[in-house]
Amino acid sequence: ETGVTQSPTHLIKTRGQQVTLRCSSQSGHNTVSWYQQALGQGPQFIFQYYREEENGRGNFPPRFSGLQFPNYSSELNVNALELDDSALYLCASSLTDIQETQYFGPGTRLLVL
Amino acid sequence: KQEVTQIPAALSVPEGENLVLNCSFTDSAIYNLQWFRQDPGKGLTSLLLIQSSQREQTSGRLNASLDKSSGRSTLYIAASQPGDSATYLCYINTNAGKSTFGDGTTLTVKP
Repeated sequence: ETGVTQSPTHLIKTRGQQVTLRCSSQSGHNTVSWYQQALGQGPQFIFQYYREEENGRGNFPPRFSGLQFPNYSSELNVNALELDDSALYLCASSLTDIQETQYFGPGTRLLVL
Repeated sequence: KQEVTQIPAALSVPEGENLVLNCSFTDSAIYNLQWFRQDPGKGLTSLLLIQSSQREQTSGRLNASLDKSSGRSTLYIAASQPGDSATYLCYINTNAGKSTFGDGTTLTVKP
């Protein structure tokens, strides 16, 4: 157990809809990172938040956005869902930045129909 | 752009065998390298973290090495057990603050 939780565990949406995924980091961890993992591939970095501000972003379009709250919770929002957004979404928390040991949650599996 | 390759994509061994998983990378300006384990449908569990200045790290039956000059890291698993069956992912942070995962090696240890 890493102390990082995610909700929901599974989600089904239709193309064009919007989705919000939630993550609760370990207490005291100021950095949260989000990843998208397609089947059979390694996780792809979406973005990182440090003390409630975006602090790095991968090659994902603006319809992927996030929020980080003072209580160590965070959200990943995806607008205008596309079929290719179907994946396992992982969040990870670390003490100060992404270069430290990251602790991953169990993930949310999103299916877009 | 950092490219991380893990070969083989899948590996099946009998219980008790020692084995090596490989990770190669193109940008040697790395900050650290981390090996993770992922069980089916689950999140990632950190196994070992090697800083740029280190050559290897050990934890129990696991030993990870890092050779920046050749762009390679290996994860050695001694006396493999069926419970070691999982996907093993290599993860690299560069000095520029970029991070990249490999696609993983799926290990099956047969009783």
